Amino acid sequence: GAVVSQHPSWVICKSGTSVKIECRSLDFQATTMFWYRQFPKQSLMLMATSNEGSKATYEQGVEKDKFLINHASLTLSTLTVTSAHPEDSSFYICSAIGGVDEKLFFGSGTQLSVL
Amino acid sequence: DAKTTQPNSMESNEEEPVHLPCNHSTISGTDYIHWYRQLPSQGPEYVIHGLTSNVNNRMASLAIAEDRKSSTLILHRATLRDAAVYYCILRTWGATNKLIFGTGTLLAVQP
Repeated sequence: GAVVSQHPSWVICKSGTSVKIECRSLDFQATTMFWYRQFPKQSLMLMATSNEGSKATYEQGVEKDKFLINHASLTLSTLTVTSAHPEDSSFYICSAIGGVDEKLFFGSGTQLSVL
Repeated sequence: DAKTTQPNSMESNEEEPVHLPCNHSTISGTDYIHWYRQLPSQGPEYVIHGLTSNVNNRMASLAIAEDRKSSTLILHRATLRDAAVYYCILRTWGATNKLIFGTGTLLAVQP
């Protein structure tokens, strides 16, 4: 079946630095990818919809200058958390639509810890 | 996307069947019912989806009410590895619209 690879699995960074998370569709092309964040014991919250070759669409309340999304190819979308702060610590998950029946496939997630 | 309602948590014993309910009274005719599950510290995993008829696959069965306002995910023999949060989500076929997650049901499986 279709696979979405997300990297890194976890990252620890200092406050004020930027962190890039990659999301790749391994055996299918994904014109649309989604980025979610999840706090402990809570559900997934959609941050933005990433469209190949165009600007991402951000959900209300999500700062586009804070969370930079680039979807430069049909198999790769990246999320950059700029000037990260401790409140940005969270579990970030990407997903992509793929397959003949257009299921949604999820990456394994990235645990970000900002010190 | 239409909203779904699920119980916050359920318990089951190992080797017994589990019925996870989901209400979606505002479902539209083009909405498919999807189920995903999420194990701790992992991304969600596709379980099953359907439109009107009941569906079976190797992981589970999906029973859809005749009026489509509710559905039930059935795990025929729960194992410890089935302990997860189960999300019932509505999604329009063929659309690249976003998938909105509700709170889901936390399934605990007792040995």
